[in-house]
Amino acid sequence: AQSVTQLDSQVPVFEEAPVELRCNYSSSVSVYLFWYVQYPNQGLQLLLKYLSGSTLVKGINGFEAEFNKSQTSFHLRKPSVHISDTAEYFCAVSAVIQGAQKLVFGQGTRLTINP
Amino acid sequence: GAGVSQSPRYKVAKRGQDVALRCDPISGHVSLFWYQQALGQGPEFLTYFQNEAQLDKSGLPSDRFFAERPEGSVSTLKIQRTQQEDSAVYLCASSLQQKNSPLHFGNGTRLTVT
Repeated sequence: AQSVTQLDSQVPVFEEAPVELRCNYSSSVSVYLFWYVQYPNQGLQLLLKYLSGSTLVKGINGFEAEFNKSQTSFHLRKPSVHISDTAEYFCAVSAVIQGAQKLVFGQGTRLTINP
Repeated sequence: GAGVSQSPRYKVAKRGQDVALRCDPISGHVSLFWYQQALGQGPEFLTYFQNEAQLDKSGLPSDRFFAERPEGSVSTLKIQRTQQEDSAVYLCASSLQQKNSPLHFGNGTRLTVT
C-alpha cells in the first residue's frame, strides 16, 4: 500500500523568499509522484509529476521538485514566491490499477505568502 | 468549457435526506474517479470507473454511498440518509486510459449536512 506524509500543515513565508514544502512517501512498488495545488473553492490542478528519468522535475508557475529514492522524499521548491502562490498544496503517490492511476494524497500544506 | 464539470457547487441537506451529485467528465476520458475531501484534509479515494464499469469501490465509506456511470460519460454519486459526517467536498476527476495520463479535477461539490 502507498501512503504520503506532508510534514508541515502550514508554511508562512514572505513574498520573494524561497520555499520548500516537504513530502515523504512509502510504497512497496515503483511509484509515480505528483504535486497538486488547490486554490480556494477550486479543484486540484497538477503542478508537476515524476514518472521516471531525471530526478529533478520542473512544473508550472516556477515550481520544481526532486525525487530522492533513498530518502523516499519528493520535496517541492520555489526560489521566489509570489502572493498568488497562496494556496493548499498536496503531494500524492499513485498506483496503477486497471490501467489508470489511483492517487493517494497527503494531508496538504497551506502556503501563506505575506507581503 | 473543456474541463470537468460538477453540479451543484453547493448542497445543503438535512440529516436523513438523500442527495445526488453529478459529474460531467472531459469528453473522451475513459477513467473517472470520485474523491471525498473533508475540511482540512487531503482528498480520499472513493470509487473508480473505466467507461461504465465500476472497477474499484473500495473507498466508499458505507452502503449509503452509491455511484453509477451508466453510459460511460456522466457519473452520479448518491448518498442516502445523509449524516453529519458526510459533510465534505466531493471531487470528481477524469483521465484518458493511458497510465501516465494526468487526472483533471472538477471544482467539487461542497455538501453540508445539518
